[in-house]
Amino acid sequence: RKEVEQDPGPFNVPEGATVAFNCTYSNSASQSFFWYRQDCRKEPKLLMSVYSSGNEDGRFTAQLNRASQYISLLIRDSKLSDSATYLCVVNPNAGNMLTFGGGTRLMVKP
Amino acid sequence: EAGVTQFPSHSVIEKGQTVTLRCDPISGHDNLYWYRRVMGKEIKFLLHFVKESKQDESGMPNNRFLAERTGGTYSTLKVQPAELEDSGVYFCASSQGQTGEGYEQYFGPGTRLTVT
Repeated sequence: RKEVEQDPGPFNVPEGATVAFNCTYSNSASQSFFWYRQDCRKEPKLLMSVYSSGNEDGRFTAQLNRASQYISLLIRDSKLSDSATYLCVVNPNAGNMLTFGGGTRLMVKP
Repeated sequence: EAGVTQFPSHSVIEKGQTVTLRCDPISGHDNLYWYRRVMGKEIKFLLHFVKESKQDESGMPNNRFLAERTGGTYSTLKVQPAELEDSGVYFCASSQGQTGEGYEQYFGPGTRLTVT
């Protein structure tokens, strides 16, 4: 079983749509959670951290469910520029190693 | 402020040859990390430096890989001898403090290594 699992997609949505991604993680001791965004052939960039209480940054909302060990990302009012791969990332055991999911590809169409 | 830089951006070598990848972290970042993504797989941690010291090298696949960070500035990752399965994208990242304390890791653009 992978440590962090994501649906690879692709998710094809029209502009303006709302889309949600989930990921599950296997290490119940994991301390920190993130969503990274990666454009084609570019480096991963931090989109947002995920907190237990849930957090929002503009059109993006992230939630964490520790009991079920899953993390979600909701994107409202999708823009063409949101097209990218979204990586679910976990920091297990409060160390410094990041554990990545395989990524979910989003394609926003006009 | 300059971001994390990596050199070369792309390297094509034959099986059995040696390749050295370089990473220059963001100035002032003591923490430096190497990750790699091989074909069809997720990005995997290789190792972590704090200044010139290896803090965690649990992700290094085997002894054909050697990472150094002399002087605690830039880092090199040498693969010797390269094998076909080493092909992939090697990312370097740096952070000002420990990730476990909430510091963000900033990634470089990666080196795409192709072993033929």
